[in-house]
Amino acid sequence: GAVVSQHPSRVICKSGTSVKIECRSLDFQATTMFWYRQFPKQSLMLMATSNEGSKATYEQGVEKDKFLINHASLTLSTLTVTSAHPEDSSFYICSAWRGSYNEQFFGPGTRLTVL
Amino acid sequence: AQSVTQLGSHVSVSEGALVLLRCNYSSSVPPYLFWYVQYPNQGLQLLLKYTSAATLVKGINGFEAEFKKSETSFHLTKPSAHMSDAAEYFCAVRNNQGGKLIFGQGTELSVKP
Repeated sequence: GAVVSQHPSRVICKSGTSVKIECRSLDFQATTMFWYRQFPKQSLMLMATSNEGSKATYEQGVEKDKFLINHASLTLSTLTVTSAHPEDSSFYICSAWRGSYNEQFFGPGTRLTVL
Repeated sequence: AQSVTQLGSHVSVSEGALVLLRCNYSSSVPPYLFWYVQYPNQGLQLLLKYTSAATLVKGINGFEAEFKKSETSFHLTKPSAHMSDAAEYFCAVRNNQGGKLIFGQGTELSVKP
């Protein structure tokens, strides 16, 4: 199956700093990528849909100025958590849409801890 | 709007017993339905998907699910549970190609020896 990677897998930062998370589709081109957030023992919540070469579409209630998404190439999307606070601590998962498979392929996730 | 409901946040079975994880969906259009498995601190792995072909869908690791339109259900089953099946399972619905996935609340499966 298709492979999607995320980097870093785990990050700890101080409150007020910014953190960038990368999502890469390793063996296919993805015009659309998705970013999800998952709190412990909870389901995945879609944060935004990232389209290559255009602005991301954010879900209701997600602060676009806080969660900056860039999809500059067909294999890379980045999520930057700006001025992170402890309440931003969560598990962030990306997925990449592969049209030939008609499905999303998920990355392994990034555990963000804000102290 | 599409939605899915998973009945039971936690299911416990004995090794070798039948696994049944329930999922009901709501959709105004023919849905695409999915089951994913998530192991601790990992991403999601697709078990199987329904895309309007056969109503009985076979997936990986011995899992299968049956789409029942009259019951708006897509329950996941496995005849014989294995210890390695212990994980979190998510049912999801998508209403069009490339569209976003809507996830259920998840069901944690425990397998007792």
